[in-house]
Amino acid sequence: NAGVTQTPKFRVLKTGQSMTLLCAQDMNHEYMYWYRQDPGMGLRLIHYSVGEGTTAKGEVPDGYNVSRLKKQNFLLGLESAAPSQTSVYFCASSYDNEQFFGPGTRLTVL
Amino acid sequence: DAKTTQPNSMESNEEEPVHLPCNHSTISGTDYIHWYRQLPSQGPEYVIHGLTSNVNNRMASLAIAEDRKSSTLILHRATLRDAAVYYCILELNTGNQFYFGTGTSLTVIP
Repeated sequence: NAGVTQTPKFRVLKTGQSMTLLCAQDMNHEYMYWYRQDPGMGLRLIHYSVGEGTTAKGEVPDGYNVSRLKKQNFLLGLESAAPSQTSVYFCASSYDNEQFFGPGTRLTVL
Repeated sequence: DAKTTQPNSMESNEEEPVHLPCNHSTISGTDYIHWYRQLPSQGPEYVIHGLTSNVNNRMASLAIAEDRKSSTLILHRATLRDAAVYYCILELNTGNQFYFGTGTSLTVIP
């Protein structure tokens, strides 16, 4: 099992550009999450999904959109990137109170 | 507002026990307490979780205060591989959302 994978690993954007981060899991988990982690801080929840076709807002959802069209994939979109969205983004899936995290995507917005 | 507070850093000698404290004074009766750890450039990794009773697993023990306003993660014999940032997390039962603290950076001294 690959577990949770994230694409891409690194990305540099210019202010105003858009992009989509892809998270995939092969563990058949219902729940999936997107977090961001800023330097010296813990992770903060952006959006999450409790099943295919459902999404919900987390702690810091502004400026992001998500979609869960297939159970194994959870996409995070930035429609118009801002420097404040420079961060490391982590995806996770969960089962039975345990979350499994991907390796992260480091995004820089210039 | 931070839902959990932890010391920024702690040190331990190798092969000695480590007690990592966490305060969560606003916890409600149905909120779970989780601990995860994060190595540099990796996603967080599950350590342990509990609700009311003390918990043990192969990695660690979790001691929860009787009023549930604080908890302590106990590593019984620290090894060099235990050097990481340890996060105390509340899982609110209102939406499967994790609220991370700022974490404790554990240094293990050989």
